[in-house]
Amino acid sequence: TQLLEQSPQFLSIQEGENLTVYCNSSSVFSSLQWYRQEPGEGPVLLVTVVTGGEVKKLKRLTFQFGDARKDSSLHITAAQPGDTGLYLCAPASGGSYIPTFGRGTSLIVHP
Amino acid sequence: DAGVIQSPRHEVTEMGQEVTLRCKPISGHDYLFWYRQTMMRGLELLIYFNNNVPIDDSGMPEDRFSAKMPNASFSTLKIQPSEPRDSAVYFCASSRIGLAGEGEQFFGPGTRLTVL
Repeated sequence: TQLLEQSPQFLSIQEGENLTVYCNSSSVFSSLQWYRQEPGEGPVLLVTVVTGGEVKKLKRLTFQFGDARKDSSLHITAAQPGDTGLYLCAPASGGSYIPTFGRGTSLIVHP
Repeated sequence: DAGVIQSPRHEVTEMGQEVTLRCKPISGHDYLFWYRQTMMRGLELLIYFNNNVPIDDSGMPEDRFSAKMPNASFSTLKIQPSEPRDSAVYFCASSRIGLAGEGEQFFGPGTRLTVL
């Protein structure tokens, strides 16, 4: 099982602020996925990163995969209340496909 | 497609009772996953199936938990007997894995289980 550490565990910010959350592991991943879970719902995929050093942008969200493919970050610019949720990372593939999610970062964006 | 369907959405039962959670995956998906989510432990993978066959059940807490997938469109997770510590939100997810092993998991809305 590939253990993923996510930080910070909790984040409470005001609308308009920028933030970065992290997903780290001692293992190398072929690819990594980020999901967002809104209250009362299941997680929804935001992005899959597959190449070391890759940067993907989804509107105000910027995802980066570390060069060594052991870590990833998610940066949100000018956070909005709609960004509130639990951000989870998980490996997307591997020889034995066993998706193990990190504990997640719980983000609250206050208006 | 209606997405992954789970029932019931909420279940309240008393300790010792049998609980059955149901899931209908997205048509054409060949992987099905059962997760449990709590504040203390996060989102834990309990078991997953590939083409209706259980592949890894190492996350199943104990013998009180069992899961079946009799066909490609239906799966159940059963807890017997239930205990208060089983209270959690249980998610079912399905996926179709690509050639490179990547796949997007589509989650159902979850079943919130409360065992009194």
